Amino acid sequence: DAGVIQSPRHEVTEMGQEVTLRCKPISGHDYLFWYRQTMMRGLELLIYFNNNVPIDDSGMPEDRFSAKMPNASFSTLKIQPSEPRDSAVYFCASSPGPNTEAFFGQGTRLTVV
Amino acid sequence: SQKIEQNSEALNIQEGKTATLTCNYTNYSPAYLQWYRQDPGRGPVFLLLIRENEKEKRKERLKVTFDTTLKQSLFHITASQPADSATYLCALDAIKAAGNKLTFGGGTRVLVKP
Repeated sequence: DAGVIQSPRHEVTEMGQEVTLRCKPISGHDYLFWYRQTMMRGLELLIYFNNNVPIDDSGMPEDRFSAKMPNASFSTLKIQPSEPRDSAVYFCASSPGPNTEAFFGQGTRLTVV
Repeated sequence: SQKIEQNSEALNIQEGKTATLTCNYTNYSPAYLQWYRQDPGRGPVFLLLIRENEKEKRKERLKVTFDTTLKQSLFHITASQPADSATYLCALDAIKAAGNKLTFGGGTRVLVKP
């Protein structure tokens, strides 16, 4: 397996624009996580899914953020409208079950100018 | 409030010595605790998982302890090498028996000098 695949690797956008980040988890993994990492706040859990169903989205900062998982092999994190304070590295991770290790993608570095 | 605290100061250590990192948590009752390594520009990579009923876990030069009374985990790198230089993150399940809400501490950067 190629591991967790995220796209794009880098995204630069202007304030107010919509941004969509994409993730392909490892096949057979039941859990999918979206994290955001900044120097100030570290690695924050935004939302996680179990079997394509959102379980906990309490980390999603605002209504401008939304995440979907239409099937077991694909998830998106959308920010609309984007703001400069959304600039961060966004990671997607998947794990095969509860109480197991998480496998992270390479991340998407988002810069909102 | 809930916290997962790791020493934010970088740990500088001489090659060959043992590096010891601390992870303390408050207002959590985790079923397990995990340790990850993160290199610059990369995603975290899983190293070890220790469950609440385990005191110690080893993997090669790595050792993890878990004290649920002290609410603390220690992570040891023995015979450290320059290649061990990275940021090390601890993580736990924030809601016990409710799935897999994997929540991370802020990480500790380790620099092993030759």
